[in-house]
Amino acid sequence: ETGVTQTPRHLVMGMTNKKSLKCEQHLGHNAMYWYKQSAKKPLELMFVYNFKEQTENNSVPSRFSPECPNSSHLFLHLHTLQPEDSALYLCASSQTTAANQPQHFGDGTRLSIL
Amino acid sequence: AQSVAQPEDQVNVAEGNPLTVKCTYSVSGNPYLFWYVQYPNRGLQFLLKYITGDNLVKGSYGFEAEFNKSQTSFHLKKPSALVSDSALYFCAVRDTDSWGKFQFGAGTQVVVTP
Repeated sequence: ETGVTQTPRHLVMGMTNKKSLKCEQHLGHNAMYWYKQSAKKPLELMFVYNFKEQTENNSVPSRFSPECPNSSHLFLHLHTLQPEDSALYLCASSQTTAANQPQHFGDGTRLSIL
Repeated sequence: AQSVAQPEDQVNVAEGNPLTVKCTYSVSGNPYLFWYVQYPNRGLQFLLKYITGDNLVKGSYGFEAEFNKSQTSFHLKKPSALVSDSALYFCAVRDTDSWGKFQFGAGTQVVVTP
């Protein structure tokens, strides 16, 4: 599925680096999400944006900083990460945040912290 | 509060045999239920959803799922498995009172052998 595009696909960074993950959706959706997927653990919802406004921050450490300049783009700014932050970061979008709406996922960014 | 359980970490099935992946849920209101599939190095792909109406829901790639309110289950089924069905399957639930937040199960790895 190419409706949600994430870049880069792979990222290796040191703990003192600053980097950003990018997500773009071409589906005309109004809600966007960041998830963290670690091995052997359920998906963890990090942030929810609805019409560019953040509606949920799931107790995410401040070293992760999201940005949503418009309904089509979502960024995750990374700074001073820890080794345990190594994971697959997935972006998703849905028409709205209504409970009956399925989410459409990108292929993720595989993040490795050295 | 809402929760979802996938009791099997892995399901092994021979090609051509029926495939079942189990999911049970708990919600305070009425459930919206979803199944997703994840292939290696890819994001989650939406398979099907139950919102209301007919308890048997048909989805992509020949999959179907049956909503059972008395057993609070939403098992995914396919009459004849293919080797290409080998992937990680996630069940997700959203309470009708919930805005934005999916609760995902831990995932079930399906292995279909030739």
